[in-house]
Order: sequence, then C-alpha cells, then structure tokens
Amino acid sequence: GENVEQHPSTLSVQEGDSAVIKCTYSDSASNYFPWYKQELGKGPQLIIDIRSNVGEKKDQRIAVTLNKTAKHFSLHITETQPEDSAVYFCAAKPLTGGGNKLTFGTGTQLKVEL
Amino acid sequence: DAGVIQSPRHEVTEMGQEVTLRCKPISGHNSLFWYRQTMMRGLELLIYFNNNVPIDDSGMPEDRFSAKMPNASFSTLKIQPSEPRDSAVYFCASGETSASDTQYFGPGTRLTVL
Repeated sequence: GENVEQHPSTLSVQEGDSAVIKCTYSDSASNYFPWYKQELGKGPQLIIDIRSNVGEKKDQRIAVTLNKTAKHFSLHITETQPEDSAVYFCAAKPLTGGGNKLTFGTGTQLKVEL
Repeated sequence: DAGVIQSPRHEVTEMGQEVTLRCKPISGHNSLFWYRQTMMRGLELLIYFNNNVPIDDSGMPEDRFSAKMPNASFSTLKIQPSEPRDSAVYFCASGETSASDTQYFGPGTRLTVL
C-alpha cells in the first residue's frame, strides 16, 4: 500500500518568512495530493491540492509543487502570518486500487512567531 | 451548509462500556469516512462507505469496532467493549461521490476511556 513520509515534524518561522513542508510517497500510481490544515480542536480542512498532470499550483500565499519522478511534493507558504500556525498534513491517493482512500503523512506543527 | 456534523464532541467513559459515535455527512455527499487520530499513529482510516455500503474496513482495529450507515444522512461508529487504548479523536469525513477526491472533515469526537 501507499506510504507517505512528511518532514519536518515541527517548524518554527518568523512572521513574514516562508515555510516549506515536504512529503514523499511510495506508490507511483498515486495521482492526487491534497494538503490539509488542522487548527487546535478542529478537524482537518483542505487548503490546496494538486494532481499528477500538474507540476505546480498556487493559491494566494500558498503553493504546492509536485515531482512525480522523485515521488515528492511540497507545500510552500509565503509571507507567513500568526494565523498560519497549525498542523499541516499531506496525503496521497492512487488513481486505481485504493478506492477513495487517502494516505496521510504524520503532520507538521507550524508555529509562526511574532 | 452546516458541514459534517459529529456528536458527541466529547465522550468520557469507563473501560468496558459501549461507546457510539455519530456522524451526519454533508447533504448530497455519497462517500463517508471514519478516521482515528492519535499522537502515536497520526490519522488512520478505519472504514469508508460509498452509497451507504462499506467498501473497505481493513483499518478497523478489532472486532470491538463496528460501523454502520443505515441511510445517506447518518452513520455510527461503535466500540464495544471500550478500552483505554481506544482513547483518541475520531473524525468523520464525507465526499461528494465515490469518484471525487476531496474529503470534508467534521469537528471530531474526543473519546477518553478511563
């Protein structure tokens, strides 16, 4: 089955700096890669996703890049703000064989310091 | 839309008791997922349904766990008997169709088994 590794487990940045979180996956058949943000006491919320036919996707201050050859994808947050502090999860889903199943990474605790 | 609704939000029970967690997916969504989140194991998929039918329950840890979806707007996850190691946050998520990728998470139920 799919295995997703996520790094780092914790990340502390100064307000205004950029943050980068990286994930690798094992199943070359995976074709959908979402990123979720989980705030304290809440459920994960989708913030951006990318499919295997695209190399990069942006949405305001956040962007995701995908390298299918190397089987890794990254989340980039620019001009970080205190409200970006949360746990971020990456995930992967195969085109076939896995149904609707998402395999999640272990999460990154991002702290944006003033 | 109210989003995915879960109840109760918090549950404290004693070892050996039966616990029932409830979920109402987003209206019109045809896929429903139950996850468990712990510090040690992260986000684990327990079971998912498409059109009220269980598709994959390979993540259900033991026979003590069971899930049902009697109709498109309601699902339950039952633990009987409960054990302290079942303490975790349980999330329900729903998706629009069996072919769609995006999952929308509820706020979770924090279960503590004493």
